[in-house]
Amino acid sequence: QSSVTQPPSVSAAPGQKVTISCSGSSSNIGNNYVSWYQQLPETAPKLLIYDNDRRPSGIPDRFSASKSGTSATLDITGLQTGDEAAYYCASWDGSLSVVVFGGGTKLTVL
Amino acid sequence: EDHLLESGGGLVPPGGSLRLSCEASGFSFPDYAMNWIRQAPGKGLEWVSALSGSGDATYYSDSVRGRFTISRDNSKSTLYLQLDGLKVEDTAVYYCAKDRLTASFDSWGQGTPVTVSS
Repeated sequence: QSSVTQPPSVSAAPGQKVTISCSGSSSNIGNNYVSWYQQLPETAPKLLIYDNDRRPSGIPDRFSASKSGTSATLDITGLQTGDEAAYYCASWDGSLSVVVFGGGTKLTVL
Repeated sequence: EDHLLESGGGLVPPGGSLRLSCEASGFSFPDYAMNWIRQAPGKGLEWVSALSGSGDATYYSDSVRGRFTISRDNSKSTLYLQLDGLKVEDTAVYYCAKDRLTASFDSWGQGTPVTVSS
């Protein structure tokens, strides 16, 4: 049912910047808000970004996101080893009346 | 601070049933839609179901529609998920999550594991 695509993995060195993409369609990302989640190993997911580009309180400004058309991106700057996690995007799909998650992207900080 | 605590998971044979619960605290429970989201072993997140704050609007993924039922008791600040006709592929950790309004989930429980196996 998932119609939102993320790269399976990305990697970068500590201190560098990484971008994670999230590609959907007009029924989901194109016409609805995107949210992003970080899931550290063996823990519940945590909201990083909501409403395309807004950070909840307590989320560092190293994490930023944007949306353009039917795609969204999450940027993480100043990478730290503690950022190693799986990252998921999500959006409401108005045609299916469901929430769709991307398949997730595993970030490795080399 | 928001707090969500799931319970009710366990081992059940194919075709069996379970009822999951999610006790909420720290926020005005009736004001928020609530969701169930699951994660199969080694897999990604899969949205399962949502229920409006008043309980009058329900949504289900195709994979569970007709087998799972979401409900809530606002007097007890508790969300439920009745799982019937369980299949092996329903094996997962089930999380409840608070929806901050725009299908973005700002609070999550620790999850309760469901294993469907003979």
